[in-house]
Amino acid sequence: DIELTQSPDSLAVSLGERAAIKCKSSQNILYSTDNKNYLAWYQQRPGQPPKLLIHWASTRESGIPDRFSGGGSGTDFTLTISSLQAEDVAIYYCHQYYSTPWTFGQGTKVEIK
Amino acid sequence: QVQLVQSGAEVKKPGSSVQVSCHVSGDTFSSHAINWVRQAPGQGLEWMGGIVPIYKISEYSEKFQGRVTFTTDESTTTAFMELTSLRSEDTAVYYCARDGYQYDVLTGYKAFDIWGQGTAVTVSS
Repeated sequence: DIELTQSPDSLAVSLGERAAIKCKSSQNILYSTDNKNYLAWYQQRPGQPPKLLIHWASTRESGIPDRFSGGGSGTDFTLTISSLQAEDVAIYYCHQYYSTPWTFGQGTKVEIK
Repeated sequence: QVQLVQSGAEVKKPGSSVQVSCHVSGDTFSSHAINWVRQAPGQGLEWMGGIVPIYKISEYSEKFQGRVTFTTDESTTTAFMELTSLRSEDTAVYYCARDGYQYDVLTGYKAFDIWGQGTAVTVSS
């Protein structure tokens, strides 16, 4: 099974400041045939289901603000919120869909400082 | 607009079974896999498995193999998850989630683009 490890487990950032979350995969999740990284990022607000923010490691879903960006390749990935807003308080999960069983990181809780 | 609407909360006794439904509206039901993900209280996300309606093929996480069954009803565009031999550790919110890959045209991506609202299952004596 592919294990995803996120860091940090939680972080507190001031409004308008940058937040960055890392996700490290135990195996390469870059598929050589199509040169795509099979990694997604989700946001889960309290009491809500997860919401897909980014797939293919860096492609934003329709309607997701451009302050959210994803990067990285192979085994190391990052989700960046360029200017934290109050509505961004949530838990963020990375997810690999390279091979089953699909797995998720343990989550990173983002709060306002 | 595609929506996944799940059945309501359940309270079950240990050793019993639960069935959760997930009605898909606004989309071609058969061509996307429906995955099931659970979240224990205060915990992260755990993939249980998924089913591709167009092929009627299921894949189960090894952890749940033998205890979980996925089915679909194309006439009502509804997916079902049944979990048997319930124990207290099965207390969780259960989500259905569609993946973006279209199995009829073999394109898209397998991240989970649309989620149901979740069904709380409590296992308690």
